[in-house]
Amino acid sequence: AQTIHQWPVAEIKAVGSPLSLGCTIKGKSSPNLYWYWQATGGTLQQLFYSITVGQVESVVQLNLSASRPKDDQFILSTEKLLLSHSGFYLCAWSLEGERLFFGHGTKLSVL
Amino acid sequence: GDQVEQSPSALSLHEGTGSALRCNFTTTMRAVQWFQQNSRGSLINLFYLASGTKENGRLKSTFNSKESYSTLHIRDAQLEDSGTYFCAAEAGDSNYQLIWGSGTKLIIKP
Repeated sequence: AQTIHQWPVAEIKAVGSPLSLGCTIKGKSSPNLYWYWQATGGTLQQLFYSITVGQVESVVQLNLSASRPKDDQFILSTEKLLLSHSGFYLCAWSLEGERLFFGHGTKLSVL
Repeated sequence: GDQVEQSPSALSLHEGTGSALRCNFTTTMRAVQWFQQNSRGSLINLFYLASGTKENGRLKSTFNSKESYSTLHIRDAQLEDSGTYFCAAEAGDSNYQLIWGSGTKLIIKP
């Protein structure tokens, strides 16, 4: 069975500090991977997607970057957090033309 | 402009009753998915449809690409059905981006 694990579950960070969020998918070879952001009470905004190791496409610019160092790992990061980065970050995976499955998310509070 | 219009934005039902959520598309979509977001924030994939109708327990979803809409029917609502429901559609020009509705906040009352 496929599992998706996101870490950390929650973070409280200071403005200007760095951030790294991670996501690991087990049980699926070469999945498409995605990062989403959700403001409190809002809809989902896709940030990045990756269809293969080492390749990441940006969907929207929010002063964030993403990397896929391994087939089963997707990292979201920034060197300097902004207040506007607060929210809920979700990692997801899918196969081509199939359903999208989400991790449990990371709640980020930037103070 | 907005390509997915989801309605209603909020809905309150008593246990045992039912209703329908709807997404209208302003452009041709190839497929639609429906998700439930629970109180912890987890998103559960309910359906993936490229056409037609699918049923799973008390939930039924239809996607009509020609008439550009999709519906999610809930019958015999239970307390655990509370949450926010989102539709998300695949447009013809991208395999890797979904266009999301704004969500329907569903409250089930005892």
